[in-house]
Amino acid sequence: NAGVTQTPKFRILKIGQSMTLQCTQDMNHNYMYWYRQDPGMGLKLIYYSVGAGITDKGEVPNGYNVSRSTTEDFPLRLELAAPSQTSVYFCASSSVGGTTYEQYFGPGTRLTVT
Amino acid sequence: GNSVTQMEGPVTLSEEAFLTINCTYTATGYPSLFWYVQYPGEGLQLLLKATKADDKGSNKGFEATYRKETTSFHLEKGSVQVSDSAVYFCALTNSGYALNFGKGTSLLVTP
Repeated sequence: NAGVTQTPKFRILKIGQSMTLQCTQDMNHNYMYWYRQDPGMGLKLIYYSVGAGITDKGEVPNGYNVSRSTTEDFPLRLELAAPSQTSVYFCASSSVGGTTYEQYFGPGTRLTVT
Repeated sequence: GNSVTQMEGPVTLSEEAFLTINCTYTATGYPSLFWYVQYPGEGLQLLLKATKADDKGSNKGFEATYRKETTSFHLEKGSVQVSDSAVYFCALTNSGYALNFGKGTSLLVTP
């Protein structure tokens, strides 16, 4: 049981380039999330999804796009990379929403934009 | 809005010392509270949680009690080990989807 997997682990982008961060979960969870973690800071929610075909913005969505065509996959798209997007990106999932349900995190993608 | 404040790190302790990491929060309604741990190079893992006032979450020797009167959820462990070295995050949710995290507290335990 792999849980939440993310690819790539590391990436360096030039300003203005685009890329997609991949996230897959094999736990049949309906809810999925993307967070970013800046140095010395907690995680901030970028986007989340409550099921296939349904996504919504979190606290810091600008510069990102998401899609959710299947239950398993929740890719995050950066269209025009900027230095401010240098961060560690975590994908997470949970079986349902609600305040008592644990979120399971992937290992993260470390992105540097130069 | 919601916010979580944790004590600044890094915290350095000797093995078998007592650990307290302070966490206080601001939130509307009745949030659930969590402690997550992040080991070097890994994602976050749930350590413990509490979903209502006076609940005590516990796991792997760590404990935290949901204190609504002081809006606190302090993490404690009676005797830390070198393997407990990690970054600890306090978090809350009252929305059912978004977790609000503190900045994290780095713990280093020396032999």
